[in-house]
Amino acid sequence: SQQGEEDPQALSIQEGENATMNCSYKTSINNLQWYRQNSGRGLVHLILIRSNEREKHSGRLRVTLDTSKKSSSLLITASRAADTASYFCATAGVQGAQKLVFGQGTRLTINP
Amino acid sequence: KAGVTQTPRYLIKTRGQQVTLSCSPISGHRSVSWYQQTPGQGLQFLFEYFSETQRNKGNFPGRFSGRQFSNSRSEMNVSTLELGDSALYLCASSFVPHFDEQYFGPGTRLTVT
Repeated sequence: SQQGEEDPQALSIQEGENATMNCSYKTSINNLQWYRQNSGRGLVHLILIRSNEREKHSGRLRVTLDTSKKSSSLLITASRAADTASYFCATAGVQGAQKLVFGQGTRLTINP
Repeated sequence: KAGVTQTPRYLIKTRGQQVTLSCSPISGHRSVSWYQQTPGQGLQFLFEYFSETQRNKGNFPGRFSGRQFSNSRSEMNVSTLELGDSALYLCASSFVPHFDEQYFGPGTRLTVT
């Protein structure tokens, strides 16, 4: 079963708007990562946030992590058509459970 | 630096056959992980290799196996193919197996008929 649950499953917004995706997980983690996938291709790493961090920024991306609620959010500001893709959160467990567990993903569509 | 490469990119096989997929990690990366992606089950972890040793295995039947060579290149093998094995198989590499940033290849699209 998947560790991460993502919400919403699909999101459609206008270019220039902000997009927010949420991820919830079940067990303790070492870190949480966000990846992007364009149309059946390989995944591209976007950002990694460790369990002792609360917020991280990278360009137009902002990720938050709330370990008490076991949840994370990814915010993409000033969206562009090129941001159209599927976005996945992935959790890396604590020592002894070293594998990435992916959520089902959010399909983001940016309309011009 | 060249990225992660996977061969072949597309493959069509018949039920009952076996298949071998190959992955060449980024130069210097010693950890290779394999994932299966299907519309129904999403991305599922298959196994991870580091220094030619399988360190972790996902919940897949024994028909799925893999190995890693001394140059860090990895292969995965699926025997006695079933229709449900149709999927995108993704390989990812990283420098060390602590599940920091993973670099993914483009995947191999396997269709079983």
